[in-house]
Amino acid sequence: KNQVEQSPQSLIILEGKNCTLQCNYTVSPFSNLRWYKQDTGRGPVSLTIMTFSENTKSNGRYTATLDADTKQSSLHITASQLSDSASYICVVSPSNFGNEKLTFGTGTRLTIIP
Amino acid sequence: DGGITQSPKYLFRKEGQNVTLSCEQNLNHDAMYWYRQDPGQGLRLIYYSQIVNDFQKGDIAEGYSVSREKKESFPLTVTSAQKNPTAFYLCASAEYQGSNQPQHFGDGTRLSIL
Repeated sequence: KNQVEQSPQSLIILEGKNCTLQCNYTVSPFSNLRWYKQDTGRGPVSLTIMTFSENTKSNGRYTATLDADTKQSSLHITASQLSDSASYICVVSPSNFGNEKLTFGTGTRLTIIP
Repeated sequence: DGGITQSPKYLFRKEGQNVTLSCEQNLNHDAMYWYRQDPGQGLRLIYYSQIVNDFQKGDIAEGYSVSREKKESFPLTVTSAQKNPTAFYLCASAEYQGSNQPQHFGDGTRLSIL
């Protein structure tokens, strides 16, 4: 069964600090991995999409890494801001399928405190 | 600005009642999706549509129905057969039904039972 596990479930850090969120998956065969940011009461917004051949991808202060061999990804947030408080969702897509076969993680709830 | 509009933001359903959630997009996307989000769970696919007048069941289609009469519109009806409809419903679209196509999400409709 395809699964995506994220850790930690929740995280609280001080404004200005860095943090790393983890995503482990068992989806196979693998096509791409996505990270989304979801503010409370809003829809998810795409941060990055990485294929199996990409090791790292950045979007401003967000940097995602991917190790397709160990089936692990991380999302690193640098110099956190209050607006980074949100849930971060890892999503994996199997190859040979479209978006109808995405597997979503349950998310990491990040809280930034001043 | 292009995007996805979901309405209403909050909806209440009485026992035995059908309710319809609206989803409109002006991104000229071919593919559209409906997801259900419950606390502590990843998003689950209800229905998806790749082109006008065509749609397929997702993983949890029972108790739901959809139509795709226009490219920009993909309404979801929650029928009385859905015994546990309380959830956050998200509509998404993608340029086409490809494995690397990012999804754009609306801001959701929260459905509750009276």
